[in-house]
Amino acid sequence: GENVEQHPSTLSVQEGDSAVIKCTYSDSASNYFPWYKQELGKRPQLIIDIRSNVGEKKDQRIAVTLNKTAKHFSLHITETQPEDSAVYFCAFKQSGTYKYIFGTGTRLKVLA
Amino acid sequence: SQTIHQWPATLVQPVGSPLSLECTVEGTSNPNLYWYRQAAGRGLQLLFYSVGIGQISSEVPQNLSASRPQDRQFILSSKKLLLSDSGFYLCAWSVRQSYGYTFGSGTRLTVV
Repeated sequence: GENVEQHPSTLSVQEGDSAVIKCTYSDSASNYFPWYKQELGKRPQLIIDIRSNVGEKKDQRIAVTLNKTAKHFSLHITETQPEDSAVYFCAFKQSGTYKYIFGTGTRLKVLA
Repeated sequence: SQTIHQWPATLVQPVGSPLSLECTVEGTSNPNLYWYRQAAGRGLQLLFYSVGIGQISSEVPQNLSASRPQDRQFILSSKKLLLSDSGFYLCAWSVRQSYGYTFGSGTRLTVV
């Protein structure tokens, strides 16, 4: 079946540094790639998404890049803050379906 | 605006007991509905999804079942719970022909 590999599984950065999380997906026809942030004990919440007709999208300190040829997409967080500490999930919409396939998550810790 | 309600928030059930978790969506019609399970410290596993009343697709073999008796109601059930059914259960919805999920607040189920 379709899947997405997400790396790293854990990431610790100093406050103010940048964090990068990478995902590789299997469905070459997929056209939608969201990222979710899940704080401890809470629901995952959409923080940014990208469609296949663009290569990069930014929203303040968060950016997502997409390389369709390589089937890679990445989340970039700049000037990290303690409140960025959470688990981040990448996902893609499986082509021809209404299903979203999620990565296994990255636990980000921002050290003050 | 659209909202999603999921209950109960927490549940402790003995092994072998039945289960019923309910999810309802307000402010939209014909949503796609999903049930996910998240084991402790793990990723999001799609259990069921539904594109219409009475239409249920099962993603993994298990002792759980799902039903959609009304357009905006999605129910997750089990006749006899197993210890391995413990986890964080998340309902989600999406708009047809659109992108992105919105998750409910989740039910933390502990089978003892």
